[in-house]
Amino acid sequence: GESVGLHLPTLSVQEGDNSIINCAYSNSASDYFIWYKQESGKGPQFIIDIRSNMDKRQGQRVTVLLNKTVKHLSLQIAATQPGDSAVYFCAESLTNDYKLSFGAGTTVTVRA
Amino acid sequence: NAGVTQTPKFQVLKTGQSMTLQCAQDMNHEYMSWYRQDPGMGLRLIHYSVGAGITDQGEVPNGYNVSRSTTEDFPLRLLSAAPSQTSVYFCASSYLGFTAKNIQYFGAGTRLSVL
Repeated sequence: GESVGLHLPTLSVQEGDNSIINCAYSNSASDYFIWYKQESGKGPQFIIDIRSNMDKRQGQRVTVLLNKTVKHLSLQIAATQPGDSAVYFCAESLTNDYKLSFGAGTTVTVRA
Repeated sequence: NAGVTQTPKFQVLKTGQSMTLQCAQDMNHEYMSWYRQDPGMGLRLIHYSVGAGITDQGEVPNGYNVSRSTTEDFPLRLLSAAPSQTSVYFCASSYLGFTAKNIQYFGAGTRLSVL
């Protein structure tokens, strides 16, 4: 698979490989984290979320890992497909706060 | 399923003009919010509301007004448009509550250009 260091703005992935998208969050008091996918010309779509009392959560072809010690979040996409080409955003929120703070996003391009 | 509907999809304004961006949701969500998205940046919160009659400022509220007279609608008003407000605007909504906290559902966006 291919991975990115602590937040690079772009990631190019071979179709069929695994992708890892990284996100460094800013506030150690954040207790909720969420990943969104944004395709060109569309609004962000929910992918997966995780609370701070967990360190891993799996969905369909996606896994989110949370490392609170270093304030790091990652999204793993298994067997990347052309339809996975998009911008991926992580977001965080504080306890009892419904506002989300978004990162700058990572553009994923899938090579055939 | 309509979800979150934003109108218009595109708009061009001249500096100093005013306009209202419309947002409506049919999911009976209490929480609604407006974001702007600029090239190479994430979404920045403009204003938000936790229910009818309640609004509050986000990270970048200057130059924008909102009101929430119904659960369904949350319009964003630009009183005197400036070129710095050229951006893509997204409306989002979600339930308030622990089990569904912060899964915000977004509209398709309004692309605004101010000349």
